[in-house]
Formats: sequence, structure tokens, C-alpha cells
Amino acid sequence: AQKITQTQPGMFVQEKEAVTLDCTYDTSDPSYGLFWYKQPSSGEMIFLIYQGSYDQQNATEGRYSLNFQKARKSANLVISASQLGDSAMYFCAMREGPLNSGYSTLTFGKGTMLLVSP
Amino acid sequence: DVKVTQSSRYLVKRTGEKVFLECVQDMDHENMFWYRQDPGLGLRLIYFSYDVKMKEKGDIPEGYSVSREKKERFSLILESASTNQTSMYLCASSQTGKINEQFFGPGTRLTVL
Repeated sequence: AQKITQTQPGMFVQEKEAVTLDCTYDTSDPSYGLFWYKQPSSGEMIFLIYQGSYDQQNATEGRYSLNFQKARKSANLVISASQLGDSAMYFCAMREGPLNSGYSTLTFGKGTMLLVSP
Repeated sequence: DVKVTQSSRYLVKRTGEKVFLECVQDMDHENMFWYRQDPGLGLRLIYFSYDVKMKEKGDIPEGYSVSREKKERFSLILESASTNQTSMYLCASSQTGKINEQFFGPGTRLTVL
């Protein structure tokens, strides 16, 4: 089974509207972290937001927020007031295990391409 | 700011050639990673290293090797390049003990003819 599932290959949104990108995950580890990255056409991966499994509140970073529903194992990215510069590929990723366990790897989903139109 | 640099943005090689992809980070991170990215498959981990001279296989290590002689530098080696290794290669680094956020380089688009 896939550990990270992004079911939307592509999404379209108009400028200034909000958009939600879906991410579901699968882990039996009680301690984990969830990340969202943005990859513009230039290719570089840009870290957007992080949610730890024990965090009580949903993470927010500017126009980005993470809708974390632990029981449903979902970690959807919400972008408010979309801008043309938000057009990019978005990846959800998961780290399993506690932070103090040393190094850890990330498992990435296949990504969602977001296109923002004027 | 963390800076991860990769030796080339674009590379074209012939089948059977030995290929070196170099990655350097300037933030004294313990961990370094090599991924390949293919359309529809996302990022797949090839190898990673958590210390100098230490390496661990990722999900798709076949056909690749790595070298980490210095903390800041992590090299990916294709001993005998094949056309199915045509891909985008991304290097990343992270620091143990924080959220383990990975910082990525700009990527190398490798074409093997």
C-alpha cells in the first residue's frame, strides 16, 4: 500500500480563490511528521509547511494551512487567496518515527499539479 | 539560509558512460539524500547518508552508488549509465533533531542517449 496518496493529478483554480490539495497517509507509527513542498517549473523543491502527529493545532504559514485530520489520516493543504505564482507541482511527504530517533527519511506522494488562472 | 548546490543543471551522457553527480551543502547538515523524480512517480529515494563515509540504500538503489568523503559533499555515481536512468535527480540535506525538514538543490536533469 502506498504510504502517501495524492489523488488529484491536477487542479485548477482562479486567482484569489482558495484551493485544497488532498493528501492521505498510512502509518502505524504513533510519531510522525507531515510536510508539503512546492515545486515550480524551475525544479527546486520549496518547503511550505509541517505538521507533527502530536501537534494539537493545525499548522499555518501565511496563506498556507494544513487541515490535519488524524483519525482520517489526512493532511490536506489549503492555499487561501491563490496567486498566479502558486502554479506549481505540490508534494505531500511523511517522516515516520520520533524526532530524536536520529536520521529519518521522507516518503513522498506523486504530486498534484496546480494551475492558477487569472 | 541553507544552500544546497548541484554540479550541473543539465547533463547529457551516452549509454555505458560513468556519470558523477555532485551535491554540496553549506549548513553542516548530517544527513544527505539523493532522489530521482519521474513524471507520475513522484520522488523516489535512491541513497542517503547520515554521516561521513556512511550510506544507506533507499527504495531504488540498483544501478547507482554513492560516496560521502566529506560532510558537505555527497556524490551519486552511475557506474554504467543506461537510458532508463534518464531522469531528474534531486539532492537534499537535513539536520537531525529538528523536524528533519529536507532542503533541496535545484536538480540535475540527466539525459542518457
